[in-house]
Amino acid sequence: DQQVKQNSPSLSVQEGRISILNCDYTNSMFDYFLWYKKYPAEGPTFLISISSIKDKNEDGRFTVFLNKSAKHLSLHIVPSQPGDSAVYFCAASADSGAGSYQLTFGKGTKLSVIP
Amino acid sequence: GAGVSQSPSNKVTEKGKDVELRCDPISGHTALYWYRQSLGQGLEFLIYFQGNSAPDKSGLPSDRFSAERTGGSVSTLTIQRTQQEDSAVYLCASSLNPLPSMNTEAFFGQGTRLTVV
Repeated sequence: DQQVKQNSPSLSVQEGRISILNCDYTNSMFDYFLWYKKYPAEGPTFLISISSIKDKNEDGRFTVFLNKSAKHLSLHIVPSQPGDSAVYFCAASADSGAGSYQLTFGKGTKLSVIP
Repeated sequence: GAGVSQSPSNKVTEKGKDVELRCDPISGHTALYWYRQSLGQGLEFLIYFQGNSAPDKSGLPSDRFSAERTGGSVSTLTIQRTQQEDSAVYLCASSLNPLPSMNTEAFFGQGTRLTVV
C-alpha cells in the first residue's frame, strides 16, 4: 500500500513555463513533507520542505503548496529551466512515537524541460 | 569531501554471496538512514540510526539484512546470501537532527548499485 503517491511518472514542460508536480498521501499522521531532486547516477538532493502547520513555502523559483484536507501537495517551479530536468521525489514523515523518523517516498516524477 | 560518501559505487555479486556496503555520513550528523531504490520504484526505507538510541529496523525486508553504526559515525549494511531481488541502488543519508524539523533535511550519498547475478 503506497502511502505517498506521485501519479504522473513523467512531465514535459516548455522552458520558461510553470512546472507543477503533484503528490498525494494517505497517512494522516504525516506532518512534514519534502521534495527531492535526483539526477541520474547521483543521490537525491533536498529541494524544499513544508510543515503541516503551513500551507505554502517558497524558495526562489520553487514553491510547495500543502492542502491537508485533500492530503495533497504540489511543487511549482516558475520559470522552468532546462537544468530542472530531473526526477522529483515527494517524501513525507511522521513522528512514529518511538523517536525515530522515516521518510516515505513516492515513486518520482521525471520532469523534462524543453528548451 | 564534505558530503555523504558510499562505497563501493557499484557491486556485482553472485547469488548466495554476502555483501557489505559502507556509508560515511557527514561529520557531526547524528541521524543516519539507509534506503534502497529498486528499478521503477520509489525510495524504500530500510533502517534508521539516531545517536546512541536503538536503531529503527522496521524497514529491513528480511533477516538476511543487517546494519550497524560504529562509534556513531560509519555505517555498514550487510546482506547475507544475496538474492536477485536484492538488486537495487542502496542509498545512505544523514541529517544533523532527526526529522521532522523545518530546515533539516537528509543529505544523500550517491548510492551503491548492487547487482546480484
